[in-house]
Amino acid sequence: DIVMTQSPDSLAVSLGERATINCKSSQSVLYSSNNKNYFAWYQQKPGQPPKLLIYWASTRESGVPDRFSGSGSETDFTLTISSLQAEDVAVYYCQQYYSNPITFGQGTRLEIK
Amino acid sequence: EAHLLESGGGLVQPGGSLRLSCATSGFSFNTCAMSWVRQAPGKGLQWVSGITSSGTTTYYADSVKGRFTISRDTSNNTLYLQMDSLRVEDTALYYCAKQGVSGYTSADSWGQGTLVTVSS
Repeated sequence: DIVMTQSPDSLAVSLGERATINCKSSQSVLYSSNNKNYFAWYQQKPGQPPKLLIYWASTRESGVPDRFSGSGSETDFTLTISSLQAEDVAVYYCQQYYSNPITFGQGTRLEIK
Repeated sequence: EAHLLESGGGLVQPGGSLRLSCATSGFSFNTCAMSWVRQAPGKGLQWVSGITSSGTTTYYADSVKGRFTISRDTSNNTLYLQMDSLRVEDTALYYCAKQGVSGYTSADSWGQGTLVTVSS
């Protein structure tokens, strides 16, 4: 199984500042035949289901604010929130869908400093 | 807009069975792969099972293999999860999630979840 490890486990950032969350996979999730990373980021607010933010490592889902961006390839990925807003308080999860079983990172809790 | 509504959760004793349903609307059900993902109280997300758009191929987490069965009915656009030999550690909120055409895609729509509690 591919193990996804996020860092940090929790993060406190001031409003308007940049927030960065990292995710490392135990093996590459880049499919060479189409040059796509089978990797996504999700946001989960309390009492709500997860919401897809980023897929193919860097493609923003429709309706997601452009302050959210994803980067990285193969085994190392980053979610960046360029200017933190109060509504961004949530737990963020990375996910690989390169191979079954699909696996998630343990989650990163993002709070306001 | 896709809508997914889970049902069938509840309290069951260890060793018991439950059948979860996920009624869907707002998208072409027979062209999308689907998954079940669970979340134990206060814990993270765990993928449980997936099924291709055709229903011909299914996938399971090792922790549920041989005990859970995923299926889909295109006549009523519904996804199912038959859960047998339930264990205390299966206690969780179970979400159904819609994927793309391939099972190797992210989940772009989720239901609100149905709670399964396994306890004596």
